[in-house]
Amino acid sequence: DAGVTQSPTHLIKTRGQQVTLRCSPKSGHDTVSWYQQALGQGPQFIFQYYEEEERQRGNFPDRFSGHQFPNYSSELNVNALLLGDSALYLCASSLGTSGYTFGSGTRLTVV
Amino acid sequence: KQEVTQIPAALSVPEGENLVLNCSFTDSAIYNLQWFRQDPGKGLTSLLLIQSSQREQTSGRLNASLDKSSGRSTLYIAASQPGDSATYLCAVRTGANSKLTFGKGITLSVRP
Repeated sequence: DAGVTQSPTHLIKTRGQQVTLRCSPKSGHDTVSWYQQALGQGPQFIFQYYEEEERQRGNFPDRFSGHQFPNYSSELNVNALLLGDSALYLCASSLGTSGYTFGSGTRLTVV
Repeated sequence: KQEVTQIPAALSVPEGENLVLNCSFTDSAIYNLQWFRQDPGKGLTSLLLIQSSQREQTSGRLNASLDKSSGRSTLYIAASQPGDSATYLCAVRTGANSKLTFGKGITLSVRP
């Protein structure tokens, strides 16, 4: 049973560029959440998607946007990248009140 | 606003020791609490999920307890091994559809 799959694994971008990260949820899960984890910190909630709609959003600027597709997969887009956006981006999926299952993350480096 | 604290930030123990990792949260009205393990540069692996109606959960050498009234959870690791070396994160969920709020984690080193 495949867990949560994220791509790419690593990414290097230049300041001002745009980036798209992808996530396929665990089989049977319908809710996808995105988190940003800076070095030495706990993950911070970005937003959550359910039924192709953004259900909740954390304290992140509008440069961060997302999408959920009919097959429950999701994308995270970040525009106008800043050096401070360098982090590990984690995708998590869930079904109802089950626990969250996390992917291996995408390491984004902005130079 | 829910806040989760994990102290200390780092812990080093000799192999074979039993140990307890602590997690505290400010709002006792939680839905559930989940403990995760994270290896350096990797994603999160779920260890144990405790629903708000439960007092503890066990999986192998791991036991997690929950005391909502005092805003505390502990993760007990029996007979620690070098392979247990990792960062352990605690996260709380305040509603059925709500986000997870994480602590900063405790980095555990088990010395052979």
